[in-house]
Amino acid sequence: DTEVTQTPKHLVMGMTNKKSLKCEQHMGHRAMYWYKQKAKKPPELMFVYSYEKLSINESVPSRFSPECPNSSLLNLHLHALQPEDSALYLCASSQETVPGETQYFGPGTRLLVL
Amino acid sequence: AQSVTQPDIHITVSEGASLELRCNYSYGATPYLFWYVQSPGQGLQLLLKYFSGDTLVQGIKGFEAEFKRSQSSFNLRKPSVHWSDAAEYFCAVDGNKLVFGAGTILRVKS
Repeated sequence: DTEVTQTPKHLVMGMTNKKSLKCEQHMGHRAMYWYKQKAKKPPELMFVYSYEKLSINESVPSRFSPECPNSSLLNLHLHALQPEDSALYLCASSQETVPGETQYFGPGTRLLVL
Repeated sequence: AQSVTQPDIHITVSEGASLELRCNYSYGATPYLFWYVQSPGQGLQLLLKYFSGDTLVQGIKGFEAEFKRSQSSFNLRKPSVHWSDAAEYFCAVDGNKLVFGAGTILRVKS
């Protein structure tokens, strides 16, 4: 099973709301990632977790707060977002964070901030 | 720093025709290279990857790619395109993180 699941599929939120995106994998992977993909653009890395610890934060604003409660789950907590944060948020996982490891992507959560 | 260039934003081919999508990379060492495909509103699916050995890599769905170090290229090919291949294709290089090219949108005309 090479599946990464993400919920919800779609999310609409106001600028004062707090919401969370969830990602789950059962492949025994120890690395998990959040990417942001704006319309007609490639995915851009936001965060990397390795063995449930945050290893990379690509200078993401603090209104995005990642959390890795266990090796299978990855959350992205959202608070006080801006309309320009509207995008497709992709989760991915891999065996390790070693270069060359295949990353498996979920279907994404499409976020609209009003 | 690593980077990827996909020079073609859009490509249109007829169903049954051959396909080549171009990818050039910049990386100081031996690169790890990937091709992913993304259907509208979907996540990314790995087509194939290269990290050493044979420079011609076979992938899923009948795709292949050839690594040419002298040209810093990793072009994706398919001998006969099907209508279901219409999607966006991303080339990516992995040094210390996965960096994607801008993508090429493939349209297939019947």
